Amino acid sequence: QVQLQESGPGLVKPSETLSLTCTVSGGSISSYYWNWIRQPPGKGLEWIGQIFSTGSTYSNPSFKSRVTVSLDTSKNQFSLNLRSVTAADTAIYYCARKISGSGKFDIWGQGTKVTVS
Amino acid sequence: QSALTQPASVSGSPGQSITISCTGTSSDVGGYNFVSWYQQHPGKAPKIMIYDVSNRPSGVSNRFSGSKSGNTASLTISGLQAEDEADYYCSSHTSSSTWVFGGGTKLTVL
Repeated sequence: QVQLQESGPGLVKPSETLSLTCTVSGGSISSYYWNWIRQPPGKGLEWIGQIFSTGSTYSNPSFKSRVTVSLDTSKNQFSLNLRSVTAADTAIYYCARKISGSGKFDIWGQGTKVTVS
Repeated sequence: QSALTQPASVSGSPGQSITISCTGTSSDVGGYNFVSWYQQHPGKAPKIMIYDVSNRPSGVSNRFSGSKSGNTASLTISGLQAEDEADYYCSSHTSSSTWVFGGGTKLTVL
């Protein structure tokens, strides 16, 4: 079955760029939307952005263009870059698959904790 | 974008039914049938429970059901069990082609 695994630094300095990768195993990247969602400590879920398998992207306007989501189909991976981070970006970051034509985020990674300090 | 509005907490006794509401606007919940519900136990990733307002993924108990009226969606859990105690989040597509989550509801099984 399809599994997602986030990877990247657990500690990032303020003003630098947070970079995470999600590896998709057990299935293809094609015909799905690939998403990044985060959860600050003790708070709710926040959608960050997504990329379709063709490369089209959408991101949460709340991030004011700090976000880039990219895809590497040869490695079955997609990535998140979040620029100019502050302590408010400290969170658990999840990658998740969304079914095309549906609101169903059906498969999630286990999450990776990132601290900005 | 503003988070969808959910009650901070709900509670119920085993065997009872509870309903969690998720209120948005005509630009999200009211405008699309792309409302989903997620269950999150402490320290775990969210799990899809209901998608596209009222559809239940395979493997999810039929005690979970979803509905929508106007700008408000609802998740109902019948026959409450101890294992249902968790945080629940709704999500919706928006008119900006983005996705928005609710603030989350903590369900306590008394």
